[in-house]
Amino acid sequence: QQQVKQSPQSLIVQKGGISIINCAYENTAFDYFPWYQQFPGKGPALLIAIRPDVSEKKEGRFTISFNKSAKQFSLHIMDSQPGDSATYFCAAPRRAGNMLTFGGGTRLMVKP
Amino acid sequence: NAGVTQTPKFRILKIGQSMTLQCTQDMNHNYMYWYRQDPGMGLKLIYYSVGAGITDKGEVPNGYNVSRSTTEDFPLRLELAAPSQTSVYFCASRPGGEETQYFGPGTRLLVL
Repeated sequence: QQQVKQSPQSLIVQKGGISIINCAYENTAFDYFPWYQQFPGKGPALLIAIRPDVSEKKEGRFTISFNKSAKQFSLHIMDSQPGDSATYFCAAPRRAGNMLTFGGGTRLMVKP
Repeated sequence: NAGVTQTPKFRILKIGQSMTLQCTQDMNHNYMYWYRQDPGMGLKLIYYSVGAGITDKGEVPNGYNVSRSTTEDFPLRLELAAPSQTSVYFCASRPGGEETQYFGPGTRLLVL
C-alpha cells in the first residue's frame, strides 16, 4: 500500500522568504506527482505537478524538485506572500493510476 | 460550468442516523472520488468510480456505501452514523486521460 510522508506539519515564513515542503513516497508504478493547495473552507485545488522525466518543474514562484532515486520530492515557494497561507498536500499515484495517496498536509503561514 | 457541487454544506447527525451526501459534476468526467479529511491527517480515499455503474473501495470504506447510476452523480451513503465519522467530506472528479482531480467545496459532518 502506498504511503506518503509529508513534512513539516506546519511552517511559518516571513513575507519574501522561501517555503520548503518535503514529501517521501514508498512505491509507485506511475510517474505523476502533484501538489494541491487548500484554503480554509475550500476544497483542494491543483497547484503544480511533475512527471519525473525531469528533475525540476517551475511555474512562477512555485517549483517542484524531484529525486527519483531517493523517492522524494519537494515544493519550494519563492518570495512567499501572505496570500500563499494555506494547507499544501503532496500526493503520489497508486493502483493503475486511478487513485492518489495524499500526504498529511502542511499548514503554511506567511507573516507580513 | 458549476464544476463539482456538494450538498449539504454542513450537517449534524445523531449516532445511528443515516444520511446521503450528494455530489454532482457537470464536466462529463468519468472518474469520481470521495475523500474524508480529518485534522492533520490529510485526505483519505473512501470510494471511487471509474464510470457509471462501476465503483470500488478506497482506503477507508467501512461504514459507507456509494452508487454511480449516472456520469454526473456520485452519492455517499452513511447507514449508521458513528462519532468516528465526524469529518469533512470532499468529492472530486477527473476526466479520463488527465490526472488532475477537481474538488468540490466539501461537506462538514458532525456526529453526536
